[in-house]
Amino acid sequence: EPEVTQTPSHQVTQMGQEVILRCVPISNHLYFYWYRQILGQKVEFLVSFYNNEISEKSEIFDDQFSVERPDGSNFTLKIRSTKLEDSAMYFCASRFRGETQYFGPGTRLLVL
Amino acid sequence: GENVEQHPSTLSVQEGDSAVIKCTYSDSASNYFPWYKQELGKRPQLIIDIRSNVGEKKDQRIAVTLNKTAKHFSLHITETQPEDSAVYFCAAKRYNFNKFYFGSGTKLNVKP
Repeated sequence: EPEVTQTPSHQVTQMGQEVILRCVPISNHLYFYWYRQILGQKVEFLVSFYNNEISEKSEIFDDQFSVERPDGSNFTLKIRSTKLEDSAMYFCASRFRGETQYFGPGTRLLVL
Repeated sequence: GENVEQHPSTLSVQEGDSAVIKCTYSDSASNYFPWYKQELGKRPQLIIDIRSNVGEKKDQRIAVTLNKTAKHFSLHITETQPEDSAVYFCAAKRYNFNKFYFGSGTKLNVKP
């Protein structure tokens, strides 16, 4: 069964550095998402992407964040200048036309 | 926007007992309500979902009920087993919007 994949599984970075988190959604899916989950807390929506543009974003998704689908298979989340509070698990998710979304395994980001 | 509240935050039951987790939502236009199970360190996985044109849905030991008038929906797990121990999240989504709103999660502990 196809799955959403994410790389890296863990990333450690210094405050102020840029990070890029990578996702490969399921191949025929049309809607793509990034979520954040701070340890022990709920899953928080960051952004949704459809038809090569952002369709919705949360208040968390400020100018420090950007998303791209550079080549028709990868879907990336860039954090330009990381802060300590960006430390979290970041999940990518995708769905086809229906409502069912499938999550990737996550990238654990630690900002020191 | 939508606000999803989930109760209880933790639930401990004896193996074989039933467990019920409840969520309320605020946006009457929400029409899709999935439930996710997240085991420790793993990705959220969809276990059951319901659409607003249906009042109840069952899948083996798991059922979801929806009360549109009261704007609440519940997850029912019967004959609980230790492998049901996990964090469960409810979510809500509005038709033709992409954003999913998550509840704060319920940590279910099934004691053998």
